[in-house]
Amino acid sequence: GENVEQHPSTLSVQEGDSAVIKCTYSDSASNYFPWYKQELGKRPQLIIDIRSNVGEKKDQRIAVTLNKTAKHFSLHITETQPEDSAVYFCAASQGGSYIPTFGRGTSLIVHP
Amino acid sequence: DTGVSQNPRHKITKRGQNVTFRCDPISEHNRLYWYRQTLGQGPEFLTYFQNEAQLEKSRLLSDRFSAERPKGSFSTLEIQRTEQGDSAMYLCASSTRQGRSNTEAFFGQGTRLTVV
Repeated sequence: GENVEQHPSTLSVQEGDSAVIKCTYSDSASNYFPWYKQELGKRPQLIIDIRSNVGEKKDQRIAVTLNKTAKHFSLHITETQPEDSAVYFCAASQGGSYIPTFGRGTSLIVHP
Repeated sequence: DTGVSQNPRHKITKRGQNVTFRCDPISEHNRLYWYRQTLGQGPEFLTYFQNEAQLEKSRLLSDRFSAERPKGSFSTLEIQRTEQGDSAMYLCASSTRQGRSNTEAFFGQGTRLTVV
């Protein structure tokens, strides 16, 4: 089955800095890569996703890149704000059953 | 609220008791997933339904766990003879097909189980 590794487990930045979270996956058949944000005590919520037919996708301060050859994808947050503080999860899945396999999460702390 | 709904939100039970959780997915979503999440970890896949059919079940899932989705709408997850190691947040998610792709999985608020 799919295995998703995520790094770092904790990331501490100053407000305004950029943050990068990296994930690798094992199953070359995976073709859908969502990123979720989970605030303390709340449900995971999708913030951005990318499909294997594109290499990069951007939505305001958030961008995701995908390298299918190397089987890794990354989340980039620019101009971080304290409200970006949360746990971020990457996931990978195949288009058939669409069962996301999640990474272990990155706790992002943005200091004012 | 038209999102995924889970009940109860919290459950405290004694070791050895059986518990049952309910998930109501977004109404037009035919795919339903159960995940388990422990502190500091990502959601761990338990089982998946497409309509009423249970199509996949994690090999890590003990036979004390069973899930149903009898009419292809709401789902229940039952844990028999609970153990302290079952203490976790149980998350339900749903998705549907959109064109040739699937939508993302929308998560419920979860049921937090504590086994004492």
